[in-house]
Amino acid sequence: DAGVIQSPRHEVTEMGQEVTLRCKPISGHDYLFWYRQTMMRGLELLIYFNNNVPIDDSGMPEDRFSAKMPNASFSTLKIQPSEPRDSAVYFCASSPLYGAGFSGNTIYFGEGSWLTVV
Amino acid sequence: DQQVKQNSPSLSVQEGRISILNCDYTNSMFDYFLWYKKYPAEGPTFLISISSIKDKNEDGRFTVFLNKSAKHLSLHIVPSQPGDSAVYFCAASARGSGGYQKVTFGTGTKLQVIP
Repeated sequence: DAGVIQSPRHEVTEMGQEVTLRCKPISGHDYLFWYRQTMMRGLELLIYFNNNVPIDDSGMPEDRFSAKMPNASFSTLKIQPSEPRDSAVYFCASSPLYGAGFSGNTIYFGEGSWLTVV
Repeated sequence: DQQVKQNSPSLSVQEGRISILNCDYTNSMFDYFLWYKKYPAEGPTFLISISSIKDKNEDGRFTVFLNKSAKHLSLHIVPSQPGDSAVYFCAASARGSGGYQKVTFGTGTKLQVIP
């Protein structure tokens, strides 16, 4: 069974350019998450969706960041314009369960997208 | 405001010895605590968890201890093996608005097990 698939795996872009990261969650998972990993802050939750609807975007750092989930099998995280401080690893994750009964062991992460903004 | 803190960015341990990874938290509303393991160029994977109503959970070589009064948890790996070398993230879960859980991760501790 395929896991969470992210693309691109690596991206190097110039400051000011638009960056689009893509994610295909595990089929049947109703929850999709976007995380950012940095040395200083660890794994930060940026936004998550339930049944394609954004539930909590309080972790999105600025208006330059936006995320969409047009259908159950695809999501994008867009940064426009990108800045050097956006350089990080961005993880997409999905889960079949996040409400009652959730104990944290059902979040499945993709391999991440390494973003470098120069 | 870092609600989940891992104050040791790295740890080196000899193969066969015990590895102890520590984590502190500030939010008393957390009801589950978790450890995730991450190898280079891979996403984090779930390792072990503990409910806030327990003080210990064991799974093979891995044991998690929870001290609620101190708001502290630790992961013990005995015996440590070279394949355990990875970054370990501590995480905690609490009920958020609308009934959804919110998982907060720490900054990670890089464990190196020396053969």
